[in-house]
Amino acid sequence: GAGVSQSPSNKVTEKGKDVELRCDPISGHTALYWYRQSLGQGLEFLIYFQGNSAPDKSGLPSDRFSAERTGGSVSTLTIQRTQQEDSAVYLCASSSPGFRNEKLFFGSGTQLSVL
Amino acid sequence: EDQVTQSPEALRLQEGESSSLNCSYTVSGLRGLFWYRQDPGKGPEFLFTLYSAGEEKEKERLKATLTKKESFLHITAPKPEDSATYLCAVQDPGGYNKLIFGAGTRLAVHP
Repeated sequence: GAGVSQSPSNKVTEKGKDVELRCDPISGHTALYWYRQSLGQGLEFLIYFQGNSAPDKSGLPSDRFSAERTGGSVSTLTIQRTQQEDSAVYLCASSSPGFRNEKLFFGSGTQLSVL
Repeated sequence: EDQVTQSPEALRLQEGESSSLNCSYTVSGLRGLFWYRQDPGKGPEFLFTLYSAGEEKEKERLKATLTKKESFLHITAPKPEDSATYLCAVQDPGGYNKLIFGAGTRLAVHP
């Protein structure tokens, strides 16, 4: 079946521009995550959506970052006024949470380069 | 502060040369420890979850073990296709499915 789909796969932008990254999770998965992976660093948690509950935004690095999830499915991560330090791979994951069923399915990511 | 540290950062093996990767963690009340494999240009792919000290899981040439302070990923007789970055993560004690990742071990297996 189809996995987690992310678009675009690569995005080059100029400093100060806004960007939108899209994630289409696995059908039926109620949980959706955004992580950021910088070169040589571990994955950094950004935001978590679970069903209709309020999202956990505790990992967003600044108020330039925001995310929404429409209809419990597709999610968009928006970065406003991009900075060079925002350059990274942005990974989306989805899961179907349950007791001892916390396996995350990741997309291939969006490589963001801010010039 | 909850942390996950992986060693070594990089490992080069000859085909058939067995070795182990280490993941040490400091977290108050481990709820789950995860191993993922990541190939270049791809997202991480789930390998194992371990929940309690003494637990072991195996898949093909990989075996994951867990103690109270660390986990090992043992690779027996590796093949070139095992080359990848192996990521370790622990479940955030905050009560849901947020994972805290280590920086990974880059494994290269040469014929």
